Amino acid sequence: LAKTTQPISMDSYEGQEVNITCSHNNIATNDYITWYQQFPSQGPRFIIQGYKTKVTNEVASLFIPADRKSSTLSLPRVSLSDTAVYYCLVGDNNAGNMLTFGGGTRLMVKP
Amino acid sequence: DGGITQSPKYLFRKEGQNVTLSCEQNLNHDAMYWYRQDPGQGLRLIYYSQIVNDFQKGDIAEGYSVSREKKESFPLTVTSAQKNPTAFYLCASRDATVNTEAFFGQGTRLTVV
Repeated sequence: LAKTTQPISMDSYEGQEVNITCSHNNIATNDYITWYQQFPSQGPRFIIQGYKTKVTNEVASLFIPADRKSSTLSLPRVSLSDTAVYYCLVGDNNAGNMLTFGGGTRLMVKP
Repeated sequence: DGGITQSPKYLFRKEGQNVTLSCEQNLNHDAMYWYRQDPGQGLRLIYYSQIVNDFQKGDIAEGYSVSREKKESFPLTVTSAQKNPTAFYLCASRDATVNTEAFFGQGTRLTVV
């Protein structure tokens, strides 16, 4: 399983764009990159998933360079409600994938 | 209304007692997972199951047991052998046949006194 490395914490202000980078140097050819968001005392929820280049949905964008050894989750114009822990996962999405979470990045959005 | 349900939300037990946490899903997902989360920490995988009547140990399986007799249900038993059972427990499920996300329950906060 590819190991991921993320910053432990980040601070931002309302209205700013936030970029959280995840390193996954040992990513395998069949691996996808998935990001989850977790609020206190709740289960994580899916944000976005990608394989290469750029993926965008109504919540975030995911940038993946050609070598796929890292990825960046971009949250546009964050609000106080985006304060949460963000997890980067790498795996091949089949039944054999253990779905292992790391420590995540604790994002604090300030007014 | 499809989803994954954990019960109860809060659970208190005396030290030395076994306790079983419930996890039910009606999403027709093959794969199910149990995680433990301690304050300020990430999720650690306890057990996972890819199919009925089959399950594998995760990173911290000692002191826990599971069963998967039905596709919809994946109960977790915290045994008296678990040295520090007080934690937040999360169950998840996923359709493992396609590239989909995992869906999580709302969690059970277990306190052992």
